[in-house]
Amino acid sequence: QQQVKQSPQSLIVQKGGISIINCAYENTAFDYFPWYQQFPGKGPALLIAIRPDVSEKKEGRFTISFNKSAKQFSLHIMDSQPGDSATYFCALGQGGATNKLIFGTGTLLAVQP
Amino acid sequence: DAGVIQSPRHEVTEMGQEVTLRCKLISGHNSLFWYRQTMMRGLELLIYFNNNVPIDDSGMPEDRFSAKMPNASFSTLKIQPSEPRDSAVYFCASKRTVEEKLFFGSGTQLSVL
Repeated sequence: QQQVKQSPQSLIVQKGGISIINCAYENTAFDYFPWYQQFPGKGPALLIAIRPDVSEKKEGRFTISFNKSAKQFSLHIMDSQPGDSATYFCALGQGGATNKLIFGTGTLLAVQP
Repeated sequence: DAGVIQSPRHEVTEMGQEVTLRCKLISGHNSLFWYRQTMMRGLELLIYFNNNVPIDDSGMPEDRFSAKMPNASFSTLKIQPSEPRDSAVYFCASKRTVEEKLFFGSGTQLSVL
């Protein structure tokens, strides 16, 4: 059973546009919500992360919006660039002894010049 | 810092053969994770270790899969015997147990014919 549902599966955005990727989860025990970015032939790399005590976190062109009551969080990429073309994964994390990440199925983003 | 190092980068083998994937953790990291990535199932956690001790192996698909940490900086994932459905990209990742950021290697592309 998929613990996190990620959408869309793929996304095409024009250069300069806004890319939005969404994730939804059920288990409220998770307390860490990162986004990872993966380029072809590489492993995923941490892009940005948020904890449930804040509703938004921004780092440069990348913003996470978090809705605790709806159990949803999203990644917004402002002024999308061709170099942002990659696969994006949301993940769920839990502190303490478990301390593992459960990943979404990924979104393939293509930013057209 | 050399990052997480995986070998080999590509492995092509025939059904029934034994496959061993290798991973060197980042110096100072003490948590090690093995993930499998496929188009159908995304990134699946197979097993993870804290301080060389396996904590959760519930993601290991079958008894054909085994993982070890013979020392604090090195891990192996073995498949014996291999089957075509094992074809995937296998990632290892490491981190400090007290931190959330996970560092991935570049993966091993496994093809079982």
